[in-house]
Amino acid sequence: DGGITQSPKYLFRKEGQNVTLSCEQNLNHDAMYWYRQDPGQGLRLIYYSQIVNDFQKGDIAEGYSVSREKKESFPLTVTSAQKNPTAFYLCASQTHHSQGRYGYTFGSGTRLTVV
Amino acid sequence: GDSVTQMEGPVTLSEEAFLTINCTYTATGYPSLFWYVQYPGEGLQLLLKATKADDKGSNKGFEATYRKETTSFHLEKGSVQVSDSAVYFCALLTGANNLFFGTGTRLTVIP
Repeated sequence: DGGITQSPKYLFRKEGQNVTLSCEQNLNHDAMYWYRQDPGQGLRLIYYSQIVNDFQKGDIAEGYSVSREKKESFPLTVTSAQKNPTAFYLCASQTHHSQGRYGYTFGSGTRLTVV
Repeated sequence: GDSVTQMEGPVTLSEEAFLTINCTYTATGYPSLFWYVQYPGEGLQLLLKATKADDKGSNKGFEATYRKETTSFHLEKGSVQVSDSAVYFCALLTGANNLFFGTGTRLTVIP
């Protein structure tokens, strides 16, 4: 079955360490997105990529980095510069050919906790 | 700019009660509108959608109608079940393929 796989589901990080969250999709979707979810605040866009080897900052990109070397993969690195990294992270993807019919497809999320 | 305003929660209902979660939007052009549902510890799942004015999206007993005149896309269900307990997000997709979310409404259905 096609879908988006995020791993790991739970991740613990010590302060000052970088950590990378994985997002893989086998939907042949062109665009991929990373969102951060905090309690009571909905979803906020961190980074997005419309095509391979290109990505754009979202609303809260500071302290994060991404790469898009393959169409299927869009890993997110939470760096030590991110002041409050504890959150639930969601990856999503979309095909450019949907013409708005399908919205985004989401992964099941990674909960990151800084200890 | 484009945005979505969603009814604040939490909402607590008894089983078989009628549900309405309000959603209004601001957008240029002709956006598509969506409701997503998030069950505890999970990602978001598409619940229903509408891509043009007067379209009605429906799924699992939930309905929402795209009202351009009132810029609204309210979610309704005639009889909620305990299994409907989740967080519901209204979302708007612009012509540039950018998705804007509301803040989410937590629904708890009690037996």
